[in-house]
Amino acid sequence: GQSLEQPSEVTAVEGAIVQINCTYQTSGFYGLSWYQQHDGGAPTFLSYNALDGLEETGRFSSFLSRSDSYGYLLLQELQMKDSASYFCAVRDRTGGSYIPTFGRGTSLIVHP
Amino acid sequence: DAGVIQSPRHEVTEMGQEVTLRCKPISGHNSLFWYRQTMMRGLELLIYFNNNVPIDDSGMPEDRFSAKMPNASFSTLKIQPSEPRDSAVYFCASSSRVSTDTQYFGPGTRLTVL
Repeated sequence: GQSLEQPSEVTAVEGAIVQINCTYQTSGFYGLSWYQQHDGGAPTFLSYNALDGLEETGRFSSFLSRSDSYGYLLLQELQMKDSASYFCAVRDRTGGSYIPTFGRGTSLIVHP
Repeated sequence: DAGVIQSPRHEVTEMGQEVTLRCKPISGHNSLFWYRQTMMRGLELLIYFNNNVPIDDSGMPEDRFSAKMPNASFSTLKIQPSEPRDSAVYFCASSSRVSTDTQYFGPGTRLTVL
């Protein structure tokens, strides 16, 4: 089985930098993904880490440490439109297949 | 590309009725996922198909739920009979063989069972 822990809510101001952490417990780790979901919308893919280190995509970066079972999403130059829920997800090897599991999500509130 | 298509977008039904949700994955994608999202339980994987074959259905709540994928471009999730606790947003997502960890989600079906 697997479980993921992430903070339920994070607040920040426009222009700031915010980090959303995710710790996981899995029986066979494959990779860590991040998704964004605006209210009333569908989750959209942001990033994926299979190896240790930092992956950068514009204002968003994602980090993974496999030895610590830990990752984070870093959002820079925050904008009001970044207010959304952010989910970390792992693909865990179960019975020969890789099954995706999502965390409960972190609600990011960006203030002007 | 049209993205993942789901229908209907909204469904209101009465307890005991049969509900069928439909999904058309992105053309060329070989994996399809059905999720349910509620405030209480978050985003839960219900079932996962690979090349039209069900790989894992351990998330299907009970026998009232069934899913099929008769071909690479169509899948259904059926609830019979429906109950008020089935009220949720149901998402379908697909991914390709090349980029398995990038899931593309449909807009979802908001189901309300009265």
